[in-house]
Amino acid sequence: LAKTTQPISMDSYEGQEVNITCSHNNIATNDYITWYQQFPSQGPRFIIQGYKTKVTNEVASLFIPADRKSSTLSLPRVSLSDTAVYYCLVGDHIVGNYQLIWGAGTKLIIKP
Amino acid sequence: NAGVTQTPKFQVLKTGQSMTLQCAQDMNHNSMYWYRQDPGMGLRLIYYSASEGTTDKGEVPNGYNVSRLNKREFSLRLESAAPSQTSVYFCASSLDPGTSGRTDTQYFGPGTRLTVL
Repeated sequence: LAKTTQPISMDSYEGQEVNITCSHNNIATNDYITWYQQFPSQGPRFIIQGYKTKVTNEVASLFIPADRKSSTLSLPRVSLSDTAVYYCLVGDHIVGNYQLIWGAGTKLIIKP
Repeated sequence: NAGVTQTPKFQVLKTGQSMTLQCAQDMNHNSMYWYRQDPGMGLRLIYYSASEGTTDKGEVPNGYNVSRLNKREFSLRLESAAPSQTSVYFCASSLDPGTSGRTDTQYFGPGTRLTVL
């Protein structure tokens, strides 16, 4: 049973801010939200992780509203090299029962 | 640091053949994982090893076996390959498995593209 729902694809232009929203209505109290980026023919790469409110690092921001039923990955001033598939994950690890359900992701295409 | 390395990069098997996919990490991580990714899909966890000496089944373990050879190495074996196992296989590692509700950051290898005829 998928834990997250995100758009299949999005387009944007160089220099724009891109926001990708993920829905996770059944998120559990302890669950964190994690985003990965995957380029063609490569393994995924960690972008950001958060639990509530806002998290920012050198490449992205993650906005999580109070009810935590959705989250938004924000990529500032994208470039062509940001073209990739982005995965939103709600993972939980309980000793002896590891689950990390990956959806199909959002294919982001950046145009010049 | 090489990070996570996988061998081979490509492999073609005939139905019924066996093979072992190798994975090694040089980050002194405790946890390692094997995933498969089918075209247009997300990753699905096959097996994982939370720490040296332990292995556990993931979402899709049937048809696979694993060995955590030591802290650095985690291999995946297909005993009798089937066309349904045609996929890209990724190995990953993390410092620890995480705590309840939170998974630790995973670092992925470049993948092995496997075709079973």
